[in-house]
Amino acid sequence: AQSVSQHNHHVILSEAASLELGCNYSYGGTVNLFWYVQYPGQHLQLLLKYFSGDPLVKGIKGFEAEFIKSKFSFNLRKPSVQWSDTAEYFCASNTGTASKLTFGTGTRLQVTL
Amino acid sequence: KAGVTQTPRYLIKTRGQQVTLSCSPISGHRSVSWYQQTPGQGLQFLFEYFSETQRNKGNFPGRFSGRQFSNSRSEMNVSTLELGDSALYLCASSLGTGGYEKLFFGSGTQLSVL
Repeated sequence: AQSVSQHNHHVILSEAASLELGCNYSYGGTVNLFWYVQYPGQHLQLLLKYFSGDPLVKGIKGFEAEFIKSKFSFNLRKPSVQWSDTAEYFCASNTGTASKLTFGTGTRLQVTL
Repeated sequence: KAGVTQTPRYLIKTRGQQVTLSCSPISGHRSVSWYQQTPGQGLQFLFEYFSETQRNKGNFPGRFSGRQFSNSRSEMNVSTLELGDSALYLCASSLGTGGYEKLFFGSGTQLSVL
């Protein structure tokens, strides 16, 4: 069975600091990887996704993630966070043949001014 | 373009009752998935429907069921409610069912079981 691990449960950063949120997945076969974000009071929305090709994917709002197959990782990065990035971030995967997602437990990011 | 609409937004029930939640997908989307979100277990997949057929099912007891109508609207039902069923139930829609599909989530129905 698939599993997704997010080791950072709560991260507090100052504005302009760099961000890296860890994500590891367990499935050994073909896998698609996603980062979703849930801003306060809003619904879950897609930040970025990886299916194949260039392992460095860029998403909305300056976020990017790197797929490292040998490490089963898909870490999310942003060079300089803003207060508006305060949200909960979820890493997710599927096996590639179905849209059913396995989610990590989420990382709450708090950006202070 | 309207997003995914879930009704009701909040629901309070007592143990043993049953509940029905509704989801209207984005126009043109034929796939609807349901997820349960709790502080302890996070987001867990319940089931997925495409063209009125259940395509995938998660590891939930048979008390959890769903269906999809010809207009792609979906309902999920939970019978004999237990305290542990208190959660945010999220619906997501997509055009199809492939692994590359982007899911569009609704705001959820917050169910409280007393």
